[in-house]
Amino acid sequence: ETGVTQSPTHLIKTRGQQVTLRCSSQSGHNTVSWYQQALGQGPQFIFQYYREEENGRGNFPPRFSGLQFPNYSSELNVNALELDDSALYLCASSPGGAVADTQYFGPGTRLTVL
Amino acid sequence: QQQVKQSPQSLIVQKGGISIINCAYENTAFDYFPWYQQFPGKGPALLIAIRPDVSEKKEGRFTISFNKSAKQFSLHIMDSQPGDSATYFCAARFPGNTPLVFGKGTRLSVIA
Repeated sequence: ETGVTQSPTHLIKTRGQQVTLRCSSQSGHNTVSWYQQALGQGPQFIFQYYREEENGRGNFPPRFSGLQFPNYSSELNVNALELDDSALYLCASSPGGAVADTQYFGPGTRLTVL
Repeated sequence: QQQVKQSPQSLIVQKGGISIINCAYENTAFDYFPWYQQFPGKGPALLIAIRPDVSEKKEGRFTISFNKSAKQFSLHIMDSQPGDSATYFCAARFPGNTPLVFGKGTRLSVIA
C-alpha cells in the first residue's frame, strides 16, 4: 500500500510568482485536505476535496486554489505569492464517507518565498 | 479564536520518565480527538485517537485521557525514550468528513 506522496520536496519562489504543489493520495482514499504549517505552528486548514469537488475551505484568500483529479490526486495552486506564504504545505488523505476519521499526511512541500 | 489550546509549548523529560501534554477545546460539537507526532522535515503521523464517549485509551506506551466535562484531553507517554523526541500536536474534528483543527504543538525532548 502506497502512502501519501507530495512533490516537490522543496521549492523557492519570488514574491508575485505562482506555484503548483502536487499530492498523490493513499490508495482507496477519496478525500484530500491541504494544510499550511508555518514554522513553529500547528497545521492550518486550507481546503478539502472529496470526489473532485471542494468540500470545505479555511480562512485563506482566493489566490489559494486547488483541484482534485479522477484518480483522487490533487494540486494546490497559489497565485501572487507573498512572503508570508513561506511554510510547509501538507496534504492529507482519508477514506471519506462513513470512515472519515483518520487523516494520513504526506511529508510536505517546503515553500520559501523570497 | 483558538479552538484547541495546547500546553506546554516545550517539555524536557528524563529517559524513562512520563511525558504529559495537555489540550483544551472550546466546542462541544467536536467528536474526534487525535494526537499526531511530527519529526523535523516530516509530515505529522497519527499516534493515537479517542472519541468523547471513552475516558481513556491506551496503545503501548501512549495513553489518552479524556475529560468531557472539563473539555480537556491529554497525552501520556510512559517510559519516554530519546526516540520520542519530536513535536506533538493535539487536534479535534467535527462529525463527518471535516478537517482537523490543530493545537500549536509541544516540542518534546527526552534526555538520557
